[in-house]
Amino acid sequence: DQQVKQNSPSLSVQEGRISILNCDYTNSMFDYFLWYKKYPAEGPTFLISISSIKDKNEDGRFTVFLNKSAKHLSLHIVPSQPGDSAVYFCAARWSGTASKLTFGTGTRLQVTL
Amino acid sequence: DAGVTQSPTHLIKTRGQQVTLRCSPKSGHDTVSWYQQALGQGPQFIFQYYEEEERQRGNFPDRFSGHQFPNYSSELNVNALLLGDSALYLCASSPGTGAEAFFGQGTRLTVV
Repeated sequence: DQQVKQNSPSLSVQEGRISILNCDYTNSMFDYFLWYKKYPAEGPTFLISISSIKDKNEDGRFTVFLNKSAKHLSLHIVPSQPGDSAVYFCAARWSGTASKLTFGTGTRLQVTL
Repeated sequence: DAGVTQSPTHLIKTRGQQVTLRCSPKSGHDTVSWYQQALGQGPQFIFQYYEEEERQRGNFPDRFSGHQFPNYSSELNVNALLLGDSALYLCASSPGTGAEAFFGQGTRLTVV
């Protein structure tokens, strides 16, 4: 039973355009949502997070949107750059825990020239 | 400031053997979590240590055990290795009750 889902295994976007990565969750016990980026042979790198009491958080080129009623979040990258090409994981924290995270299966983003 | 460091980076073991993986958390972090990432999957939570105690545990058998030392570093032990234990093992650290976890580069374990 997958509680955090990333239904798009891959996404290709032109440099300079917007990348939108989506994530759905099923469990209302999650209180924080995070996005990680992973290059091959490296561990995941933390990108941005959002509390369940907010609907938007922005950090430079990265914005995360949360729609609690739809149990859906998305990561927007504007403008996309070739260095953004990586696998992106959505993760959710269990309420009442310290960083016990449940991850999605990832979306591979390729930014083309 | 060193981030999360893990050793070794790669390891090959035979079925039935035991393995120990090590992790040093980021400076200032007192909570260490371990994850298993199989090929094509997201990381799966194994367990978490805080103040030298196991605080949370995921859906993993008792063959998986751990330890946290007074300096907050941690070990993951896996007994009676199975072929299915082949995966990337990731250590993550976080400060206190913070949500953001910072990951090491992982240990690639291959069981043959």
